[in-house]
Amino acid sequence: GNSVTQMEGPVTLSEEAFLTINCTYTATGYPSLFWYVQYPGEGLQLLLKATKADDKGSNKGFEATYRKETTSFHLEKGSVQVSDSAVYFCALSARTGGFKTIFGAGTRLFVKA
Amino acid sequence: DAGVIQSPRHEVTEMGQEVTLRCKPISGHNSLFWYRQTMMRGLELLIYFNNNVPIDDSGMPEDRFSAKMPNASFSTLKIQPSEPRDSAVYFCASSLADREYEQYFGPGTRLTVT
Repeated sequence: GNSVTQMEGPVTLSEEAFLTINCTYTATGYPSLFWYVQYPGEGLQLLLKATKADDKGSNKGFEATYRKETTSFHLEKGSVQVSDSAVYFCALSARTGGFKTIFGAGTRLFVKA
Repeated sequence: DAGVIQSPRHEVTEMGQEVTLRCKPISGHNSLFWYRQTMMRGLELLIYFNNNVPIDDSGMPEDRFSAKMPNASFSTLKIQPSEPRDSAVYFCASSLADREYEQYFGPGTRLTVT
């Protein structure tokens, strides 16, 4: 079945450091891929998406490229801020006999001033 | 524009009691999802509705859980009887039917069963 695997956290960085959170997936067909962010005490928010191979999703300085050959969708940001501290979820959705979004386990990011 | 509204935000109850969680989706959205989030199991889809009809309830853990959507602007998730292992944060999310990947989450209900 479909699944998403993302790097375990927590990830701790200093402000202005480069961020990479790895995400790989297993899916039949051609899923769409997403990153969601969850700030403390809140629900998840869609951060960015890519719907086909080689698409790059971007938002708020974050980027991720849909790599079909490596089945990956790694999240990157060139310079993190304290306000980026949150939990990041990689997810995929596919229509295989019905719709379902599969979420990864989440990676907690701490950014220190 | 109001987002997804959930109530209550926090619920503490004793084992064996009935618990009802409520959700109001974003106006105009016709897909609604209930999720459960725990440290051990992460984020799990419990059930989702399309145009008020349950489409996939395979994630509902057992018969103690039930969900209804009597109209387009209201849904409930009921646990009866509740057990300590039901303690979790329960999220409701909604989306447009042709953009089900773009889900808008509510703030969640933190349920504690003692």
